[in-house]
Amino acid sequence: AQSVSQHNHHVILSEAASLELGCNYSYGGTVNLFWYVQYPGQHLQLLLKYFSGDPLVKGIKGFEAEFIKSKFSFNLRKPSVQWSDTAEYFCAVRGSNYQLIWGAGTKLIIKP
Amino acid sequence: DTGVSQNPRHKITKRGQNVTFRCDPISEHNRLYWYRQTLGQGPEFLTYFQNEAQLEKSRLLSDRFSAERPKGSFSTLEIQRTEQGDSAMYLCASSLNSGNTGELFFGEGSRLTVL
Repeated sequence: AQSVSQHNHHVILSEAASLELGCNYSYGGTVNLFWYVQYPGQHLQLLLKYFSGDPLVKGIKGFEAEFIKSKFSFNLRKPSVQWSDTAEYFCAVRGSNYQLIWGAGTKLIIKP
Repeated sequence: DTGVSQNPRHKITKRGQNVTFRCDPISEHNRLYWYRQTLGQGPEFLTYFQNEAQLEKSRLLSDRFSAERPKGSFSTLEIQRTEQGDSAMYLCASSLNSGNTGELFFGEGSRLTVL
């Protein structure tokens, strides 16, 4: 069965620190990969997505993610975080059944 | 705001009662999804519609759950004879039918608490 693993449930960083959130999935076929973000009190919204082509994808607000097929990974990165990045981040994979399989999420807290 | 709208935002009910949630998707979106999210977990797929047709239901969706989208616009999710284990956030999302690449647009969710 397809699954998505996000390694860190909680991450606390200071402003200007670099961020990397891990995401690994289990599925051997062609996948579409997503990162969604949920700011406090708001709905889930798309941060970035990968379907094909350049494995390094750029999203909104300075986020990027790299698809490494050999590692079944799609890690999210940001060089310098801001207090406003405090949110919960979800990795999701769409595989053969066209439905999204979601990770458990990572709560990111940025200390001002 | 022309995003996905869900109501009620919060519902507290006693075990055994029926509850119904409504979702109004973005108007031009023909796909509509229901998910359930519990604390510390990502969303779990429940069901989805393309226009008025319910195309897929998760095994998570017991007989007590039913969803409809009668005119291909808004959708309702009804839970009959609620149990404490039904307490969760119920999320609705919509998308355009653009193959596998459609981005999901989520509502703010309906939080159910079963006492």
